Amino acid sequence: EDQVTQSPEALRLQEGESSSLNCSYTVSGLRGLFWYRQDPGKGPEFLFTLYSAGEEKEKERLKATLTKKESFLHITAPKPEDSATYLCAVTQGGSEKLVFGKGTKLTVNP
Amino acid sequence: DSGVTQTPKHLITATGQRVTLRCSPRSGDLSVYWYQQSLDQGLQFLIQYYNGEERAKGNILERFSAQQFPDLHSELNLSSLELGDSALYFCASSGGSDTQYFGPGTRLTVL
Repeated sequence: EDQVTQSPEALRLQEGESSSLNCSYTVSGLRGLFWYRQDPGKGPEFLFTLYSAGEEKEKERLKATLTKKESFLHITAPKPEDSATYLCAVTQGGSEKLVFGKGTKLTVNP
Repeated sequence: DSGVTQTPKHLITATGQRVTLRCSPRSGDLSVYWYQQSLDQGLQFLIQYYNGEERAKGNILERFSAQQFPDLHSELNLSSLELGDSALYFCASSGGSDTQYFGPGTRLTVL
């Protein structure tokens, strides 16, 4: 059973066209929700950690929010360099292992 | 640059062989995690070590083993390799917080 589901699988935007990526989770006892960015052939790069519903974090053009069932990664006025796969992951209970979704591949055209 | 280093960057070997992947965590981090990333499965947790001791196990095959040494670097040993073991293998480290920082990965190709 999928514990972390990301949508859409792929997203194409024009430069400056804002949008949101979704991460829904079904784990009980959420410990933390994490967003990473991954470029092809590279390791995931940490973006945000969210711990409780209502929490928001921002970094440049990215803003992550968390509810009891899902998280959104909002991208405002994206640039071509924002093109990457964005991964969502959760930890639960006393476990530190990250459970990842399959990711959203974002392409921003100039 | 996350501060986590992995060697080698690429590894090409034949079925039935054994390989060792190496990871050096960020300075001061006591926890090391290993993950496998394949096209169909995504990123999957394999195993965690904390200060030299195994702390958690995930979907790690019996043919695979790992250890963490007193200087905190870790090695992942893969034996009796099969075609399906071809993947990217990532090491991550953490220390004092929940955030895991990933290395650049080792791309393993089994021919």
